[in-house]
Amino acid sequence: DQQVKQNSPSLSVQEGRISILNCDYTNSMFDYFLWYKKYPAEGPTFLISISSIKDKNEDGRFTVFLNKSAKHLSLHIVPSQPGDSAVYFCAASGGSNYQLIWGAGTKLIIKP
Amino acid sequence: DVKVTQSSRYLVKRTGEKVFLECVQDMDHENMFWYRQDPGLGLRLIYFSYDVKMKEKGDIPEGYSVSREKKERFSLILESASTNQTSMYLCASSSTRNLDTTGELFFGEGSRLTVL
Repeated sequence: DQQVKQNSPSLSVQEGRISILNCDYTNSMFDYFLWYKKYPAEGPTFLISISSIKDKNEDGRFTVFLNKSAKHLSLHIVPSQPGDSAVYFCAASGGSNYQLIWGAGTKLIIKP
Repeated sequence: DVKVTQSSRYLVKRTGEKVFLECVQDMDHENMFWYRQDPGLGLRLIYFSYDVKMKEKGDIPEGYSVSREKKERFSLILESASTNQTSMYLCASSSTRNLDTTGELFFGEGSRLTVL
């Protein structure tokens, strides 16, 4: 049973528009959430994170929103650029186990 | 920059063969991890290590073992490869055990293993 779910396997967005990637979780013990980005033939790289004491964290074009009551987080990319085309993984940690639990990933395609 | 190097990018092995996947990191990180990535399943933790000669099972350790004889090197071993172990294997390291603080894992480029 997946504790972290990314229900959209892929998403296509026009260059310059906003990309919104979604992630849902089931474990209320999770208190730290991360987004990683993965290009083909490369390992994932850390993008942005958020602690459960916050509801928003920004880093340049990337903003992560956390809705704890809904157990939902989203990654917004504004404006979307061709180099943003990649697979995005949502991950969560918390409780007594410090390990990350990963979603299945969403493939983002930015159309020129 | 942190560099995590995985020895083989692509491997093709036969069922029953012993497979070694090597990983080396150059940032003196204490913590190292082996994941496998499969379509629709995300990353799943196989084994991890917080110190030399120390290892702990992750979520899917069956069919795998690991070795950490030196701080910078963490090896994944498939004692008898099977077709269901065909996957992308990712090694990672981190400077902190508690990923709640920094959350940052540094990954290698991955080793794609095909078992025939």
